[in-house]
Amino acid sequence: DAGITQSPRYKITETGRQVTLMCHQTWSHSYMFWYRQDLGHGLRLIYYSAAADITDKGEVPDGYVVSRSKTENFPLTLESATRSQTSVYFCASSVSHRSQPQHFGDGTRLSIL
Amino acid sequence: DQQVKQNSPSLSVQEGRISILNCDYTNSMFDYFLWYKKYPAEGPTFLISISSIKDKNEDGRFTVFLNKSAKHLSLHIVPSQPGDSAVYFCAASLTDSWGKFQFGAGTQVVVTP
Repeated sequence: DAGITQSPRYKITETGRQVTLMCHQTWSHSYMFWYRQDLGHGLRLIYYSAAADITDKGEVPDGYVVSRSKTENFPLTLESATRSQTSVYFCASSVSHRSQPQHFGDGTRLSIL
Repeated sequence: DQQVKQNSPSLSVQEGRISILNCDYTNSMFDYFLWYKKYPAEGPTFLISISSIKDKNEDGRFTVFLNKSAKHLSLHIVPSQPGDSAVYFCAASLTDSWGKFQFGAGTQVVVTP
């Protein structure tokens, strides 16, 4: 089915470990985004990408790394996980950056012990 | 510094009545606004949007009003239905901001029979 999928849906890891969250979309949307959702903060942008090999920082990028070698994939890596990165992570995509809603995946709930 | 604020974390409304959700923003340069709806364990889904050149946009039971002078937008749901029970996020973006949206913290709506 066409859409945007995130994996894993749930992940538990320990502080200091590296973890990668995957995001795959089948629409060939140019723009992709990573958000984290925390109580009281809504959704905050971590990184975004305008096309393959073009990425830039959002509001809360520290401790995260992204890559986009193919249009359809936009993995998010926590290089050395910290407890403060416990959150629900959402990936989104949109056809253009102007006046277009974003389509979200169902999220990854990440717990860092 | 949260530039988009939803000051009511929750709202309870009777089925058939009107739900009014409010959102305030601080940056007068925001020119595009959206509302998303989110069910538990799912990603946000786009509901309705409005450009800053308009003051009202309607889609079925959902109407968004924009008051630029007050830096305020609201979402009206008429009539409210049990399936409307969800968290609602407002979001705003700047001109040429590459689709970087600022989200509010969300309002939990509960529609009671």
